[in-house]
Amino acid sequence: QKEVEQNSGPLSVPEGAIASLNCTYSDRVSQSFFWYRQYSGKSPELIMSIYSNGDKEDGRFTAQLNKASQYVSLLIRDSQPSDSATYLCAVNLDTNAGKSTFGDGTTLTVKP
Amino acid sequence: EPEVTQTPSHQVTQMGQEVILRCVPISNHLYFYWYRQILGQKVEFLVSFYNNEISEKSEIFDDQFSVERPDGSNFTLKIRSTKLEDSAMYFCASISGVSETQYFGPGTRLLVL
Repeated sequence: QKEVEQNSGPLSVPEGAIASLNCTYSDRVSQSFFWYRQYSGKSPELIMSIYSNGDKEDGRFTAQLNKASQYVSLLIRDSQPSDSATYLCAVNLDTNAGKSTFGDGTTLTVKP
Repeated sequence: EPEVTQTPSHQVTQMGQEVILRCVPISNHLYFYWYRQILGQKVEFLVSFYNNEISEKSEIFDDQFSVERPDGSNFTLKIRSTKLEDSAMYFCASISGVSETQYFGPGTRLLVL
């Protein structure tokens, strides 16, 4: 079983729609959860971090965490073509600046 | 805004040669990382470094790899004898320690021929 698993893509949504990205993790003691955006050939760029159960909103982005289900998601509202990228879910076991374990990523295409 | 920088942006080397990848983390950061991403694959943790020593390393980080912080600003990854399978994008990242936000550098694309 993969440590961090993301829904297989690619995912395609029309401009203005909601894009939903999902991630599950295997280690129940995971503490910190991150969503990164990665454009082709570029480095990961942090979009959201979430540490406790529930929703966290930042502009058009909402991260949702459910530790009981070992599930974290990212919703992108009013999707724009510029949101087209690969989205990486990352999980840290340790809150004290430990390493991140990444999923394979989900490629999102937003069609104008 | 402060950022992590990496040099070179691209490196081509022959199998068996040594390479040194350089990173300058954000100046007040305390924790440093190297990750790699083989083309089309996921980002993989290599090593973390804190207080001038390795705090954690992955199975990938074998005896061919070493890290150093030689002068208080640079953070280097050395691969002693490169293999074809070392071809990847190598990312440096740093964390302040106050926040868990990892700041990634732009990466070095290493190609081993």
